[in-house]
Amino acid sequence: DGGITQSPKYLFRKEGQNVTLSCEQNLNHDAMYWYRQDPGQGLRLIYYSQIVNDFQKGDIAEGYSVSREKKESFPLTVTSAQKNPTAFYLCASSSRGGFPDTQYFGPGTRLTVL
Amino acid sequence: AQSVTQLDSQVPVFEEAPVELRCNYSSSVSVYLFWYVQYPNQGLQLLLKYLSGSTLVKGINGFEAEFNKSQTSFHLRKPSVHISDTAEYFCAVIAGGTSYGKLTFGQGTILTVHP
Repeated sequence: DGGITQSPKYLFRKEGQNVTLSCEQNLNHDAMYWYRQDPGQGLRLIYYSQIVNDFQKGDIAEGYSVSREKKESFPLTVTSAQKNPTAFYLCASSSRGGFPDTQYFGPGTRLTVL
Repeated sequence: AQSVTQLDSQVPVFEEAPVELRCNYSSSVSVYLFWYVQYPNQGLQLLLKYLSGSTLVKGINGFEAEFNKSQTSFHLRKPSVHISDTAEYFCAVIAGGTSYGKLTFGQGTILTVHP
């Protein structure tokens, strides 16, 4: 079955530590996205990538970093510079990255900073 | 820049009753509209989308939505809800002319269906 996988489902981190969230897709999609979800705020775009070896900042990129070395993978690193990293993180992909492509979402990773 | 407003943060309803979840958007250009559903601790699932053509769009699980350009609205409706429809619903918009199809989301509406 084609789809998007995110791991781990739950992640705990101590303050001051970097942590990397995994996102893999086997849909052969060109574009991939990372969103952050906080209660009552909807989803906010962190980073997006339209093609391998290229990515762009979204609305809330500060304290985050990404890489896109392979078409199927788009890992997100939450750095110690992110002031309030506790949130639900969602990865998505779409076929072309141009509008109006439908974005398909993974199951999410819940990050808690202790 | 576009924005999306979901007018109700929570909507309680009894099983088998009709429901409408309201969504308004603001954009100076043409738009493409989406409704997603999210069950607890899961990702988002596409319910339906409006790209062009008929303004009445039918989606999965018996939901439908109507695009109203003059009212800048895209309300989601279901004539008879089930307990299993309890979830959070997100309206989202892509504005025409953007280079990569940026999705802007509303804040979400929590639909709770009571027996």
